[in-house]
Formats: sequence, structure tokens, C-alpha cells
Amino acid sequence: SQQGEEDPQALSIQEGENATMNCSYKTSINNLQWYRQNSGRGLVHLILIRSNEREKHSGRLRVTLDTSKKSSSLLITASRAADTASYFCAASGGADKLIFGTGTRLQVFP
Amino acid sequence: GAGVSQSPSNKVTEKGKDVELRCDPISGHTALYWYRQRLGQGLEFLIYFQGNSAPDKSGLPSDRFSAERTGESVSTLTIQRTQQEDSAVYLCASSSQLGEKLFFGSGTQLSVL
Repeated sequence: SQQGEEDPQALSIQEGENATMNCSYKTSINNLQWYRQNSGRGLVHLILIRSNEREKHSGRLRVTLDTSKKSSSLLITASRAADTASYFCAASGGADKLIFGTGTRLQVFP
Repeated sequence: GAGVSQSPSNKVTEKGKDVELRCDPISGHTALYWYRQRLGQGLEFLIYFQGNSAPDKSGLPSDRFSAERTGESVSTLTIQRTQQEDSAVYLCASSSQLGEKLFFGSGTQLSVL
């Protein structure tokens, strides 16, 4: 299993602040992915980082990957109330199932 | 279609009844996944398909759960003799390739009374 585990479980910040979430996984990966979920329904893919990449940016999102520590972090800069959601990481070993962690619940206060 | 479609959106059933949940993946996506999410919890992997084959069924909670996929397209998840602990949102996702970016449907909220 490539299970991802997010940390912290919950995070509350003010608008404009940065939010950092961490993910740890167990074995070798092909890629690691981050998803967002609003209101307990379908997840939306945010960003995918491959095992040979160390950092990736997409808009206000920055993802890092440290394969030696088997960990990844998601940074949301200049957060907005609309960023309030649950965030999940999923580690992929390649041609395999994607196993999700339990998620980080982010609350951004106006 | 433009996205992953799941039906029904909501299903209320009585304990002991059978239910069928349907997933229409994005056209051309060979990989299809089913997950279960209980209220306030993470995603629990159930099963995935590569084409019409399910290489790993180990995530299915019990023999009351089964899934199939036909024509490398539509998939159905069947729960027989439903129990109250089956109440959850069942999420389907598809991908152009195993282990790559997933596109999720909006899920089916199953409530077993």
C-alpha cells in the first residue's frame, strides 16, 4: 500500500495567511497527488508531482517532495475563504491503485 | 461525457435491500476506481478496474459487495443485503492511466435505514 497520511488533521487560519499541510507515505512512489474536497462530495485534482521532481508550482499552490524522507508538503499562499475545504494526498506506486490519507480540514476565516 | 457521472445522487434504502450504484467514466479512460467515504472520514479504497478487469478486490469490505465494468465504460457497484454501516458516500473516479490524475464524480450518498 502506498498510503498517504496528512498532518495536521485540522488547520484554522485567517485570510491572507499561508497554509501548510504535510503528507507522509510508506514505500517507493511514482508520483504523489494532492486533491481538494468541498462539502464531502467529489474530489478535485490540484497537482501531481513525480518522484524525480522536488518542487512544483501551480498558481498559489506550491508542492514539495522529499523522497528520502517519504514526505510531501502543500503550501497555499495568501489563503482565501474559498480555500476552506479538506485536502488529501494520494501516493501512487505507478500502475496501481491510489490510496488516500485521512485528509487535512482547512478553515480560512475572513 | 464531459465528466464522471454517478447515479443516483442520493439513495435511501431499507436494511436488507440490495442497491446498485452506477458510474459513467470519462470516455476513453481505461482506469476506474471506487471509494467509500463515511461522514467526516477519509477515502476508503474499494476496488479499481483496468479495462474490464479488477486486479485487486481486496478493498471490498465483505462478500456483500461486488462490482463489474463492461465495455471499458460503465461500472456498477452492488451492495447486497445492505446494513446501516454501509451508509456513506460512494465515490467513483476515472483516469486515462492507472496511478495518474483522477477525475471524480459527485458521488452517491447512500443512507440505509
